[in-house]
Amino acid sequence: DTAVSQTPKYLVTQMGNDKSIKCEQNLGHDTMYWYKQDSKKFLKIMFSYNNKELIINETVPNRFSPKSPDKAHLNLHINSLELGDSAVYFCASSPRQESYEQYFGPGTRLTVT
Amino acid sequence: GQSLEQPSEVTAVEGAIVQINCTYQTSGFYGLSWYQQHDGGAPTFLSYNALDGLEETGRFSSFLSRSDSYGYLLLQELQMKDSASYFCAVSGGGSTLGRLYFGRGTQLTVWP
Repeated sequence: DTAVSQTPKYLVTQMGNDKSIKCEQNLGHDTMYWYKQDSKKFLKIMFSYNNKELIINETVPNRFSPKSPDKAHLNLHINSLELGDSAVYFCASSPRQESYEQYFGPGTRLTVT
Repeated sequence: GQSLEQPSEVTAVEGAIVQINCTYQTSGFYGLSWYQQHDGGAPTFLSYNALDGLEETGRFSSFLSRSDSYGYLLLQELQMKDSASYFCAVSGGGSTLGRLYFGRGTQLTVWP
């Protein structure tokens, strides 16, 4: 049973397109996150939701819009994709907002051409 | 803001011991975590220190000195499968509650 799952695993698209990444966790956790990992492996938090409420928005361009329909799901929609958006996007979850142990999904490798 | 420094690369041979250091500067500090990431894989949690001292989990140990803003991950009896990137991450309270700020990672290569 997969704890944190993401779809799709790979996404190749052209500049200017809009795309979505979906994330689901079956751990019963309250808190979910989106991270971006660039080509140099720098892992940076983008957003966090706690019980469907946005609690962290780490100065991400407003072309990125997260949505949490329920506490087991957190999706990421990206408008007007740019070359610099190419990265691996990881979803993660943790039992509570203050948890230091986070469980990461397998990642979505986004390539913008 | 937050900044973390760790070496970019470390190499060692099977069976050896390696220490990966991490120094940090942060406003508001709860603890220091370590994550492992194999190429193409997801980060996985290894250990956490909130208090000064050593935490041991099998072959891996992690140390924290809050007064020195310093920690390290110690890997013993290295195996080939330990070749991966290792990230330290700080977590804070107050306005930074729930945020994990990661270092840039240390690529560990274990040679036979």
